[in-house]
Amino acid sequence: EPEVTQTPSHQVTQMGQEVILRCVPISNHLYFYWYRQILGQKVEFLVSFYNNEISEKSEIFDDQFSVERPDGSNFTLKIRSTKLEDSAMYFCASSEGDDTQYFGPGTRLTVL
Amino acid sequence: AQSVSQHNHHVILSEAASLELGCNYSYGGTVNLFWYVQYPGQHLQLLLKYFSGDPLVKGIKGFEAEFIKSKFSFNLRKPSVQWSDTAEYFCAVNALDGNKLVFGAGTILRVKS
Repeated sequence: EPEVTQTPSHQVTQMGQEVILRCVPISNHLYFYWYRQILGQKVEFLVSFYNNEISEKSEIFDDQFSVERPDGSNFTLKIRSTKLEDSAMYFCASSEGDDTQYFGPGTRLTVL
Repeated sequence: AQSVSQHNHHVILSEAASLELGCNYSYGGTVNLFWYVQYPGQHLQLLLKYFSGDPLVKGIKGFEAEFIKSKFSFNLRKPSVQWSDTAEYFCAVNALDGNKLVFGAGTILRVKS
C-alpha cells in the first residue's frame, strides 16, 4: 500500500538555523499538507499546497516558513530561522482530492 | 473558527469492554468527519470517515462512528476492545470551504490484557 514518507525522522538544530523537512507524498496525489504537533498540544494545520501554489495557510505559517515542490516527488517545508518554539513533530500529508488525507510518520524537530 | 473537542484524554479499559470516545465539533456548515488512530511508534492512520449518507459509518478493525448532526457529534465506538487497540485516537473535521483538518486533542486508550 502506498505511503507518505518523511525524512529525517529526527532533526536537531540550533536556534536561528535553517531547516528543511522533506516529504514524499503518495504518487498520484495532488494536494499536499503540513501539520505540526507541539508536545502535549493538538495537531495543528500549517499549510496546504495544490497546483504548485499555497491554497491555504494558518496564522502559524508566517514569513519564516515556506513550502516547495522542487521536483515531481518531493514536498518540502523550510523554516528559515528556527526558534525554540518551533520544536514539534511535523507531519506531512497528501490527498488525491476527495479530502481523505494520508499522513507520513512525522519529523521530530528539536531546536536548541 | 472551527474547533473539535474530545471528551476524554485518557481511557483505560479491560479487554472485551465496550468503547465509546466522544467527539464534538463547532462549525455551522457542511463538514467531513474523520477518526484517525496512532499506534505506538507509528504514524496517523485513517480509521474511518463520514462524508454524507448513512450517519453510521463502519471502519477498519471493528470500529464504527455515528454522526449526529443535531448534536454536532461524531462518537467512535467498538463493542469489544482488544489489547492491540491500545493507541491514541484523534477526531478531525474538515469544513468543505477549505482543505485543512482541524483536530481534537486526542484520546489515549490503554487496553489491559
